[in-house]
Amino acid sequence: GNSVTQMEGPVTLSEEAFLTINCTYTATGYPSLFWYVQYPGEGLQLLLKATKADDKGSNKGFEATYRKETTSFHLEKGSVQVSDSAVYFCALAAGNKLTFGGGTRVLVKP
Amino acid sequence: SQTIHQWPATLVQPVGSPLSLECTVEGTSNPNLYWYRQAAGRGLQLLFYSVGIGQISSEVPQNLSASRPQDRQFILSSKKLLLSDSGFYLCAWSVSSGVTTNEKLFFGSGTQLSVL
Repeated sequence: GNSVTQMEGPVTLSEEAFLTINCTYTATGYPSLFWYVQYPGEGLQLLLKATKADDKGSNKGFEATYRKETTSFHLEKGSVQVSDSAVYFCALAAGNKLTFGGGTRVLVKP
Repeated sequence: SQTIHQWPATLVQPVGSPLSLECTVEGTSNPNLYWYRQAAGRGLQLLFYSVGIGQISSEVPQNLSASRPQDRQFILSSKKLLLSDSGFYLCAWSVSSGVTTNEKLFFGSGTQLSVL
């Protein structure tokens, strides 16, 4: 079946540091890939997505590129802010459902 | 615009009691509907999804059940709660696009369930 594996957290960074969260997937066919973010006390919301190989999703300074050859969708941000502290979920869509990774908690310190 | 409502926001229930969490969607028709659970310190697990009234797919064997009595209503239930049912439950919807969901999910605000 489909699965998503992402690096375990927590990831603790200083403000303005570079952030990378690794995500790899296993799926049949060509799924769409997503990053969702969950800020403290809130529900999940879509951060960015990519629907085919080599697509780059971007939003709020975050980027992720759909790499079919390595089955990866790593999330990056060049300079994080305290407000980026959240749990980040990588996910893939196939059929009528999304499969999520385990989530990575990111804590950005001033 | 579309909105999703999920209630209650928090719930404390004794072991063995019943459960009913409700989710409704407004501003769209024939959505795909989902129930996810986020256990403490763990990721998001898909429990049920529905592509239409009365159509429920269960992803994991468990103590819970789901029903979709109306197009935009999705209910999560249990006859007798277990301690392991504690967690954060999220309802979500997506546009129904036939075969494949490549549209994003819209999540409700969640229900924090504590079974004591």
